[in-house]
Amino acid sequence: DTGVSQNPRHKITKRGQNVTFRCDPISEHNRLYWYRQTLGQGPEFLTYFQNEAQLEKSRLLSDRFSAERPKGSFSTLEIQRTEQGDSAMYLCASSGTRPGPLDTQYFGPGTRLTVL
Amino acid sequence: SQQGEEDPQALSIQEGENATMNCSYKTSINNLQWYRQNSGRGLVHLILIRSNEREKHSGRLRVTLDTSKKSSSLLITASRAADTASYFCATDASAGAGSYQLTFGKGTKLSVIP
Repeated sequence: DTGVSQNPRHKITKRGQNVTFRCDPISEHNRLYWYRQTLGQGPEFLTYFQNEAQLEKSRLLSDRFSAERPKGSFSTLEIQRTEQGDSAMYLCASSGTRPGPLDTQYFGPGTRLTVL
Repeated sequence: SQQGEEDPQALSIQEGENATMNCSYKTSINNLQWYRQNSGRGLVHLILIRSNEREKHSGRLRVTLDTSKKSSSLLITASRAADTASYFCATDASAGAGSYQLTFGKGTKLSVIP
């Protein structure tokens, strides 16, 4: 399968716990994006990587959120001290020239986070 | 904040009918994309139309873009039950060689009744 993959698909945690999600982009894509989607809303941009460099962060990304993309391949999104308001679907997308074009983003299946 | 607003919020049609969804946005854009999302799943890219294009086709899909009105429409012809999903428009307003960050609307929920 050459699509974007995300793990885990579902995560249930208690308030105050830390969680980490992983995204594996399409192998030839150098751009990787994280979005968050709450019920009944469209996805909202969180952050963007070009290779290993994190180039943009949304104001939605509070200090409790951190994202990394070591070696410019997979990426992780960590949420520390989770709050009930963090409950959402976390979507990862990638883009590149193959398949392209560069501005077409291919999304993974998402990780659904429930904070109790 | 959400740039695009889809209209209607929900649409219910019979199989075989055409479905039209509209999207309005606020700022100048580089391109506009339409995505489909089945319940609780990831987004599937349907079509991208650039700001200098007016119409684009892909199979049963037809997208129009009117930059003077800051609006787009997605037409699905001869709908099928499998088209039941939420449809989102997303705009890319990045300046220059930007990040291609997408701003999504709230979506139109389409139900196609067999």
